[in-house]
Amino acid sequence: DQQVKQNSPSLSVQEGRISILNCDYTNSMFDYFLWYKKYPAEGPTFLISISSIKDKNEDGRFTVFLNKSAKHLSLHIVPSQPGDSAVYFCAASVNSGYALNFGKGTSLLVTP
Amino acid sequence: ETGVTQTPRHLVMGMTNKKSLKCEQHLGHNAMYWYKQSAKKPLELMFVYSLEERVENNSVPSRFSPECPNSSHLFLHLHTLQPEDSALYLCASSQDRINYGYTFGSGTRLTVV
Repeated sequence: DQQVKQNSPSLSVQEGRISILNCDYTNSMFDYFLWYKKYPAEGPTFLISISSIKDKNEDGRFTVFLNKSAKHLSLHIVPSQPGDSAVYFCAASVNSGYALNFGKGTSLLVTP
Repeated sequence: ETGVTQTPRHLVMGMTNKKSLKCEQHLGHNAMYWYKQSAKKPLELMFVYSLEERVENNSVPSRFSPECPNSSHLFLHLHTLQPEDSALYLCASSQDRINYGYTFGSGTRLTVV
């Protein structure tokens, strides 16, 4: 049973606008959440993370929001750039352990 | 060389073959992982090694056999695979648990014929 869900397989955004990628989870024991970015023919790279004790974490153009009551997190990219075009994976863990549960990913296309 | 390196990048093998995937990390991390990514599925954790000891094994068939001889190297030995085992196999490493995220390799694209 999939515990981390990214319900939008793809998203297209114009350069300069905001990209919002969404992720839902079912396991209330998850306490650490991460976003990864993946280009074709490369492994995923760590982007940003958030602990369940916070509801927002910001790093440059990237902000992750966590809504624990809704079991929902989102990644905001502002402003979006063509180089942001990639597949974005949401992941979660229990007790900040070793194992990560991944979503299926959302393919973001930023058009000029 | 830095980061996590996986070899080979591509592998085609028959169902009766025996092959091995290799992963090497140059980051000084103490945990290493094998993940499988099949088409239209999320990444699935296969094995976790911490300080060269296996700490997680997610009900992976015995035709997949991991080996971690030291904290920098991880192998996945393959034998008598099935066509449905065709996937992208990703190795990752981390320092302790995942608080700072994994560093992934580029993966091995495996095709079983």
